[in-house]
Amino acid sequence: GNSVTQMEGPVTLSEEAFLTINCTYTATGYPSLFWYVQYPGEGLQLLLKATKADDKGSNKGFEATYRKETTSFHLEKGSVQVSDSAVYFCALTVYGGSQGNLIFGKGTKLSVKP
Amino acid sequence: NAGVTQTPKFRVLKTGQSMTLLCAQDMNHEYMYWYRQDPGMGLRLIHYSVGEGTTAKGEVPDGYNVSRLKKQNFLLGLESAAPSQTSVYFCASSYTPSTGLQNSNQPQHFGDGTRLSIL
Repeated sequence: GNSVTQMEGPVTLSEEAFLTINCTYTATGYPSLFWYVQYPGEGLQLLLKATKADDKGSNKGFEATYRKETTSFHLEKGSVQVSDSAVYFCALTVYGGSQGNLIFGKGTKLSVKP
Repeated sequence: NAGVTQTPKFRVLKTGQSMTLLCAQDMNHEYMYWYRQDPGMGLRLIHYSVGEGTTAKGEVPDGYNVSRLKKQNFLLGLESAAPSQTSVYFCASSYTPSTGLQNSNQPQHFGDGTRLSIL
């Protein structure tokens, strides 16, 4: 089946620190991969995506590369800010699935201290 | 610029009561989804709809019903609420499935959630 595993949090960093949130997946077929972010009290927003192997998604200083050989899609940012404090979800969907729904990881809470 | 709107935002129910959560989108999206979010579980799909008049079960459909009488609305119903249904519920919509196809790779748009507590 399809599943997403991401590192458990919470993750606490100081401002300007380097961030990595690990995400690995299992999928039948050819998945597209996503990172969503949820700020406190809000719904989920798409942060970045990659639709095929070796694609790099990027947005707001965040990056993630679709690694088929390691079935991974790790999220990175070189210098985090307090405003990046949120819960981050790795997700996938598989082409050909009639639902089109997203399979989510359990989420990683990030807290950035000034 | 509403996007996806969920009502109500908060609700407290007693065990056995019924209620309906409303999701409305103004983006003319075909696909709509209901998820629940529980601590340590991520988001899990309850039901979904691929178009007006159609609904289908997701991963955790038991205890819920849905209806999609109008394209812009997707209703989630709890006929007899149970404490296990205490959760945050999210509605999402998209033009097409978020698949790997270049021209149909549309992200899902989420509402702000409904926090439901069942005592």
